[in-house]
Amino acid sequence: DAGITQSPRYKITETGRQVTLMCHQTWSHSYMFWYRQDLGHGLRLIYYSAAADITDKGEVPDGYVVSRSKTENFPLTLESATRSQTSVYFCASSEFDVRPQHFGDGTRLSIL
Amino acid sequence: DQQVKQNSPSLSVQEGRISILNCDYTNSMFDYFLWYKKYPAEGPTFLISISSIKDKNEDGRFTVFLNKSAKHLSLHIVPSQPGDSAVYFCAANQGGSNYKLTFGKGTLLTVNP
Repeated sequence: DAGITQSPRYKITETGRQVTLMCHQTWSHSYMFWYRQDLGHGLRLIYYSAAADITDKGEVPDGYVVSRSKTENFPLTLESATRSQTSVYFCASSEFDVRPQHFGDGTRLSIL
Repeated sequence: DQQVKQNSPSLSVQEGRISILNCDYTNSMFDYFLWYKKYPAEGPTFLISISSIKDKNEDGRFTVFLNKSAKHLSLHIVPSQPGDSAVYFCAANQGGSNYKLTFGKGTLLTVNP
């Protein structure tokens, strides 16, 4: 089915570990986004991408790395996980610009 | 500095009545506004949007009103249904080459049967 898929849905890891969250969309949308949702903060943009090989920082990019070698994939990597990165992460895509965006179901990441 | 504010963390209404969710913004450069609905363990789902050249947009039971002078928008749901119970996020965009959506913290709507 067409859509946007995030994996894994749940992840527990330890501080200092590297972890990669995957995002795959089947619409061939140009734009893709990563958000984190924390209590008291709503959704905050981490990184976004306007096309393959084009990425840029959002509001809270520190500690994260992204890549976009293919239009359909937009992985998010925490190079050395910290407890403050415990959150729910959402990937989103949009066809022409930022609005509206279509979201995946999220990855709940816990860092112990 | 929070540019999009949803000052009511929660709202409870009776089935069949009107639900009014409010959102205030501080950045006068915002020119496009969206509402998303989110159920637990799911991602946000786009609901309705409005451009700053309009003051009202309607889609079925959902209507969004924009008051630019007050920097205020509201989402009306009429009639409210139990399935509308969810967290509602207001979001704003500055337009042009700005790719960022700025979200409010959300309002939990509970529609009681």
